[in-house]
Amino acid sequence: EAGVAQSPRYKIIEKRQSVAFWCNPISGHATLYWYQQILGQGPKLLIQFQNNGVVDDSQLPKDRFSAERLKGVDSTLKIQPAKLEDSAVYLCASSLNRGQETQYFGPGTRLLVL
Amino acid sequence: QKEVEQNSGPLSVPEGAIASLNCTYSDRVSQSFFWYRQYSGKSPELIMSIYSNGDKEDGRFTAQLNKASQYVSLLIRDSQPSDSATYLCAVRLSGGGADGLTFGKGTHLIIQP
Repeated sequence: EAGVAQSPRYKIIEKRQSVAFWCNPISGHATLYWYQQILGQGPKLLIQFQNNGVVDDSQLPKDRFSAERLKGVDSTLKIQPAKLEDSAVYLCASSLNRGQETQYFGPGTRLLVL
Repeated sequence: QKEVEQNSGPLSVPEGAIASLNCTYSDRVSQSFFWYRQYSGKSPELIMSIYSNGDKEDGRFTAQLNKASQYVSLLIRDSQPSDSATYLCAVRLSGGGADGLTFGKGTHLIIQP
């Protein structure tokens, strides 16, 4: 079974530029999460999707971050414009459904904002 | 605001000894508790979950939960150098649709050969 795929793996941009990350969850997984992990900290939930609907985006900085999962499969997370403090690893995770025990994490996208 | 607290370490343990990792949480409605292992530069992987008070054992790993004290721990017996990693404690509220995890900062564990 293929795992969660993410791209790109690394991205370097300058502040005020835009960037987008892509995630393809495990086949058949209805629930998708985006987490932000700043160096030295644990992952922080940004947004949760159930199929193509948003379940929780309470911690998403909506003035600059946006995310979508239009067809209930792949998802994109966008930052526009980026700030220095957005430098982090962006992790996508998926689970079979809400409340399922295991969230499977992708390899992450490492973002550096200069 | 949910908070999960862990000692960041590093925690250094001799090979073959028991490593004890601790975590406290602030939200009394938290119902599900998880331990993830994260190697440097890698993504977190689930190693244990626990939902009820008491102990849960899986191989060399034992998770312990005390909801009254809002405390969860992970014991690693017969520690191996390959256990050297950051261990993340995570909690999840029960019920409702939002079930994203709240993580602690992690404890960096070093197993000394």
